[in-house]
Amino acid sequence: NAGVTQNPKFQVLKTGQSMTLQCAQDMNHNSMYWYRQDPGMGLRLIYYSASEGTTDKGEVPNGYNVSRLNKREFSLRLESAAPSQTSVYFCASTDIRGLGDEQYFGPGTRLTVT
Amino acid sequence: GEDVEQSLFLSVREGDSSVINCTYTDSSSTYLYWYKQEPGAGLQLLTYIFSNMDMKQDQRLTVLLNKKDKHLSLRIADTQTGDSAIYFCAESFTGGGNKLTFGTGTQLKVEL
Repeated sequence: NAGVTQNPKFQVLKTGQSMTLQCAQDMNHNSMYWYRQDPGMGLRLIYYSASEGTTDKGEVPNGYNVSRLNKREFSLRLESAAPSQTSVYFCASTDIRGLGDEQYFGPGTRLTVT
Repeated sequence: GEDVEQSLFLSVREGDSSVINCTYTDSSSTYLYWYKQEPGAGLQLLTYIFSNMDMKQDQRLTVLLNKKDKHLSLRIADTQTGDSAIYFCAESFTGGGNKLTFGTGTQLKVEL
């Protein structure tokens, strides 16, 4: 099993450009998440999808959109990138069983917006 | 809102014990977690504790939870150079879609 995969690994954008970050998991998990990681701020939740067909805003959704394409794939779109969106983006997935459910993380996408 | 705080850095000598601390403000959390992030990688779950427990031990790791003070700690016994990483505490809530609120992260440096 590959676990959680993310593409691309690195990306540089100019202000105003758009792009989609891809995430896929092969663990048959129901729930998927997008986080951003900034120095000194930990990880902050952007959007999540509790199950296929549903998406909800997290703590910092402004400037982002998501699509839960199917059970495996959850993409994050930046419509008009801004320098404040320079960050490392992590996708994660889990099955919610109420037993200390572990979230499995991808390796991250390092995005720089100039 | 929920705030989860950690000190930013900790330096220890190889073979010593490390204690990483975390404070949180929301008392309704269900589970509290410790994740480890190695350089250039995603996060991996180290251990977790249910909110009605005081302590959990797992090999070299000991988690202590003081609900009254909203304080969580992770003790790593016999710290090795391979333990050098960033450690995040996180909390989740019942019915919250297993959304996690993460702390700011503690960078552990293990010196020879």
